[in-house]
Amino acid sequence: AQSVTQPDIHITVSEGASLELRCNYSYGATPYLFWYVQSPGQGLQLLLKYFSGDTLVQGIKGFEAEFKRSQSSFNLRKPSVHWSDAAEYFCAVLGGGFKTIFGAGTRLFVKA
Amino acid sequence: SAVISQKPSRDICQRGTSLTIQCQVDSQVTMMFWYRQQPGQSLTLIATANQGSEATYESGFVIDKFPISRPNLTFSTLTVSNMSPEDSSIYLCSVERGQGASEQFFGPGTRLTVL
Repeated sequence: AQSVTQPDIHITVSEGASLELRCNYSYGATPYLFWYVQSPGQGLQLLLKYFSGDTLVQGIKGFEAEFKRSQSSFNLRKPSVHWSDAAEYFCAVLGGGFKTIFGAGTRLFVKA
Repeated sequence: SAVISQKPSRDICQRGTSLTIQCQVDSQVTMMFWYRQQPGQSLTLIATANQGSEATYESGFVIDKFPISRPNLTFSTLTVSNMSPEDSSIYLCSVERGQGASEQFFGPGTRLTVL
């Protein structure tokens, strides 16, 4: 079955430190992958997506993600975290029937 | 991108009543979806709102509880019927511009509390 796993329920990083949020997917074919961010009281905003081509994709707000087929992973990274990055992050895969399957989310806390 | 608005943004309702949530998009879109996000949880797809036909519901969701309308390509409503405290959630509308192979754009959500 298609699924997305985000192993970390929450992560705390210091402002200015680097960040990596993990995502593993299970999908038989070539996946379409996404990272969304949800700030408190807000809807979801797309950070970046991978459909094909270069496995390192750049997104908004300085985020990037790398698709690794051998590891079934699509980890999100940012070299230097800002306090405004504190939010919930969701990894997602486009599944069968054009339905998007979301991971459980990782809540990011940023400490000064 | 697409600009999506939802009304109401939040509401507090009594059990046994119903609430209709509206979703308006600034341009015509092919696909519209309704999600539920329970407190501290991820998103669960309720249904795909089909223009001109009945919505397609996911397992665990039924039309009697969550009737959906989609009268045109820019508007949809979701009704939460006969509410109970377990229905307290954020309800999100999303749209997809393409033919099912692209990213979704989300509305700001409707925060529902049922007493």
